Order: sequence, then C-alpha cells, then structure tokens
Amino acid sequence: DIQMTQSPSSLSASVGDRVTITCRASQTISRYLIWYQQKPGKAPKFLIYAASILQSGVPSRFSGSGSGTDFTLTISSLQPEDFATYYCQQNYSTPRTFGQGTRLEIK
Amino acid sequence: EVQLVESGGGLVQPGGSLRLSCEASGFTLSDYWMSWVRQDPGKGLEWVANIKGDGSQKYYVDSVKGRFTISRDNAKNSLYLQMDSLRAEDTAIYYCARGGGNFVSWGQGTLVTVSS
Repeated sequence: DIQMTQSPSSLSASVGDRVTITCRASQTISRYLIWYQQKPGKAPKFLIYAASILQSGVPSRFSGSGSGTDFTLTISSLQPEDFATYYCQQNYSTPRTFGQGTRLEIK
Repeated sequence: EVQLVESGGGLVQPGGSLRLSCEASGFTLSDYWMSWVRQDPGKGLEWVANIKGDGSQKYYVDSVKGRFTISRDNAKNSLYLQMDSLRAEDTAIYYCARGGGNFVSWGQGTLVTVSS
C-alpha cells in the first residue's frame, strides 16, 4: 500500500498569510494526487486533482504542485473560511490512501 | 445538483451486522464508480471500498475484506454497504462518495458505533 505523509500535522497562521502544506508518497504516484478541505462536522470538499488542477468553484488563492513523490498545497493569502483540516490522497493505486491531515488554525 | 444521502448507521455490538444505504440524486448513478470512505471521529480518512458503475468490479481495503460487501441498485439510485462481523475498530462516520478514486461529491455521513 502507498503511504501518504503530510507535514506539518498542524499549523497556526493569520489571515493574509501564505501557507504551504506538504504531502509525500511512499512511492511514485506520478500526478495522481488530490487535495481535500474538511471543516468540523462536514464532509470533505474536493479542492484539487491531478496535483494541480483546481476543481470548479475553488478560489484561485489555492494552488497545488508536485509530481512523483512530493507535493504541495499552497494558499496564497489566507481567508477566515480557509481555517480547516486539509488532506491529500493518492489516486494512483488501490487501496486509495489519505494523508493523516493538516489542521490549519488561526493564530 | 448532486446529492448523496446515507442512512442505516447506529449502535451495534461487536460481531453484529449493519447495512448502510446511500441514495443518490442529480446524476445517473450507473455512469459512475461509487465508494465508501470512513472517518474515525476526530481522526483521519480511510477508503473502504468501491464499485464500478455496472457492479462488475469491486475492491476493498484489506481490513474489511471478507466482512464487508459493497453493492448497488442503479434502478433504485442506491449504493449499499453490508457490514458483518463488526469490530470496535470499525467505529466511524461512513460516507458514500461519487467516484472510484476522485471523490468529488460526498454525502453527509452516517455514524456507526460498535460497542458492547
């Protein structure tokens, strides 16, 4: 199984900050990488697929990059609604596996 | 608008069974792979199983193989997860999701608690 490791596990930041979350796969997954956002009590929301393609309706302050084993999610200027937990997930092979999540908190 | 509504969760004793349902609307169910994904309350996400649009292919995470069965009834716009021999570690919120690997749309989830 492919293990997905996110860092950091938690992050404190302020509105307007630029933040980057990293996701590393235990083996190459090409660009089969997805990012989700989850708020408390809600289902995850599909943000980015194929490592860098924004889902329709996702604000352009979100961006993704990477290929192979190393990926990043960047939020260019944090907004109050962005404070949430972010998960990466590989879509390269079965079983589909998720990172452990990165909790983004208000400083 | 795509909608997915899960039902069937609840409290069950270890070794017991539950059947989860997911009613889909706003799209043609038979056109899509569908999946079940679970989440320990307050913890991370785990893909459980998926099924092809016509039901001809099914895949499971190792921890549920032989105990859980995914199925679908496209005529009833419904996805199912039969869960047998339940264990405490199966306690989670269970989500149905559209897609076999790209989980674009999710339901609101149904809580399964396995405890004596």
